[in-house]
Amino acid sequence: EAEVAQSPRYKITEKSQAVAFWCDPISGHATLYWYRQILGQGPELLVQFQDESVVDDSQLPKDRFSAERLKGVDSTLKIQPAELGDSAMYLCASSLRQGLVAFFGQGTRLTVV
Amino acid sequence: KQEVTQIPAALSVPEGENLVLNCSFTDSAIYNLQWFRQDPGKGLTSLLLIQSSQREQTSGRLNASLDKSSGRSTLYIAASQPGDSATYLCAARLDTAGKSTFGDGTTLTVKP
Repeated sequence: EAEVAQSPRYKITEKSQAVAFWCDPISGHATLYWYRQILGQGPELLVQFQDESVVDDSQLPKDRFSAERLKGVDSTLKIQPAELGDSAMYLCASSLRQGLVAFFGQGTRLTVV
Repeated sequence: KQEVTQIPAALSVPEGENLVLNCSFTDSAIYNLQWFRQDPGKGLTSLLLIQSSQREQTSGRLNASLDKSSGRSTLYIAASQPGDSATYLCAARLDTAGKSTFGDGTTLTVKP
């Protein structure tokens, strides 16, 4: 069964260091989402791609976060420098196109120490 | 700005009980509403999706209803089992652009 792949599953980094997460959506899915989920809260959308273009990054802290999907397939989310408050689960999701059901990956659990 | 609220934050029931989880949203002009299940430390699994033109959706022991006028959705779980223990999240999507607003979830514990 097709699924959204994310790596790494877990990441521990020191504050002020750079960290990157990778997501491979389900094949053929044009829309890709990155969410951040703080423990005990619901996911919050950070960035949405339609193919290689950013559709919504209004909640992305652009001073330290960046996201790219260069070939419209897999995507990378980067944080530099990491801060203690960035500790969270980072979830990637994809859908065939905008408005359709999104399928989520298992997430990357980030701990900043 | 759409706000989604789920009450209670946690619920504990004995096995076999029927239960209802609640989801409220402030903007009734939603495109669809989706219920997810999340196991500890894992990603989200979609359970049911209700389009704005629908009133309910059913899958096995799960039934989700939508009342846009009152800004509410409910997830009904029949004959609960310990394996149903998880956090249940609802998400309201305002338009086809795809952005969904999530509630903070209800953590369900079903005791054997």
